[in-house]
Amino acid sequence: AQRVTQPEKLLSVFKGAPVELKCNYSYSGSPELFWYVQYSRQRLQLLLRHISRESIKGFTADLNKGETSFHLKKPFAQEEDSAMYYCALTSTDKIIFGKGTRLHILP
Amino acid sequence: NAGVTQTPKFQVLKTGQSMTLQCAQDMNHEYMSWYRQDPGMGLRLIHYSVGAGITDQGEVPNGYNVSRSTTEDFPLRLLSAAPSQTSVYFCASSGLPLAGHEQFFGPGTRLTVL
Repeated sequence: AQRVTQPEKLLSVFKGAPVELKCNYSYSGSPELFWYVQYSRQRLQLLLRHISRESIKGFTADLNKGETSFHLKKPFAQEEDSAMYYCALTSTDKIIFGKGTRLHILP
Repeated sequence: NAGVTQTPKFQVLKTGQSMTLQCAQDMNHEYMSWYRQDPGMGLRLIHYSVGAGITDQGEVPNGYNVSRSTTEDFPLRLLSAAPSQTSVYFCASSGLPLAGHEQFFGPGTRLTVL
């Protein structure tokens, strides 16, 4: 069965500390994976996708097919990173979201 | 481009009332969908459509109806509102196939059912 798991509902990190938001997936084919972010009272928006292999707002994510993971990382957390983060997997005809992780950056 | 728009932004209903949440997109996207967002539950898919005249059920379709008469519009109808439908509703759209296409979300509708 296709599944996306974000094991942490809430992650609290001090400003300046490294951030890692975990995402594990279950999919039999070749998945396309995305991270979406939702800042307070705003709409969800794309943060990054594994195909582009780019860094957005200092965040990166590497697809690890062996561990079936797509963890989101940032070396130094900033207060403006506080938000809800969703990992998503897409196939040809389906998109599956994880339940989300709320990232709280402590001053 | 306005992107994905939703109306209203806020709504309060009494149990048993019906209403329609509007969603429109101006990007000529074939795929449109409705989600509800509840604390601890993440995003749950209600209904989706892959083109005008085609709709299908998602994970939590009970109590909701949709139609897709045009490419641009995808309204969500609550037939008889219940307190369990209190939630934030998001509409999204994208091109097809889903793989490789970004989802564009609307600003959300915050619904309270008393």
